[in-house]
Amino acid sequence: AQSVAQPEDQVNVAEGNPLTVKCTYSVSGNPYLFWYVQYPNRGLQFLLKYITGDNLVKGSYGFEAEFNKSQTSFHLKKPSALVSDSALYFCAVRSPGSARQLTFGSGTQLTVLP
Amino acid sequence: DVKVTQSSRYLVKRTGEKVFLECVQDMDHENMFWYRQDPGLGLRLIYFSYDVKMKEKGDIPEGYSVSREKKERFSLILESASTNQTSMYLCASNLSRTGRVGNQPQHFGDGTRLSIL
Repeated sequence: AQSVAQPEDQVNVAEGNPLTVKCTYSVSGNPYLFWYVQYPNRGLQFLLKYITGDNLVKGSYGFEAEFNKSQTSFHLKKPSALVSDSALYFCAVRSPGSARQLTFGSGTQLTVLP
Repeated sequence: DVKVTQSSRYLVKRTGEKVFLECVQDMDHENMFWYRQDPGLGLRLIYFSYDVKMKEKGDIPEGYSVSREKKERFSLILESASTNQTSMYLCASNLSRTGRVGNQPQHFGDGTRLSIL
């Protein structure tokens, strides 16, 4: 079985401050991990993914995520938040040994306050 | 740029109606997906298709069926709509030339907000 948890429904951060959106996962074997962002009334947009290699993955719009195998986490980070980063963020996981497709987390609403 | 187009942004139907949601992608992707999105539940996979006329059940297929007669088009069908099928429906696609399940990012349409009265 594969699952992903986003423990925070809502994250608020002041503009210019660093932001972190948390994600933990459970899979058999090494995971494939993804972050997506959803702006109001839009579909999801891909931000970044971890398949193999460096634990720090850089993605679109200045976002990055760190894969931590021992803590089974893949937290999304950005050094300096923008008001325009306010959106709904989804973490997703897939086990490479499985025929299952992606399993998504429940989402975290990020609000960046001016 | 990949474009995934869902035929309707908003749709209102009545209980018991047969409802069709259409999705078209323009990048020759092999895989196509239908999800429903509900607050606090994230995205849940209804069905996916890895080739024309091929389909596989996702996590919540009950009450739904799908059709993929052409590679670019994937339809979701609510056989007899019920109020608990009121939701946001998202279509997605990805490339995957190496097998059924790809590691490429999924590209999403803007969604259809369906209300069943």
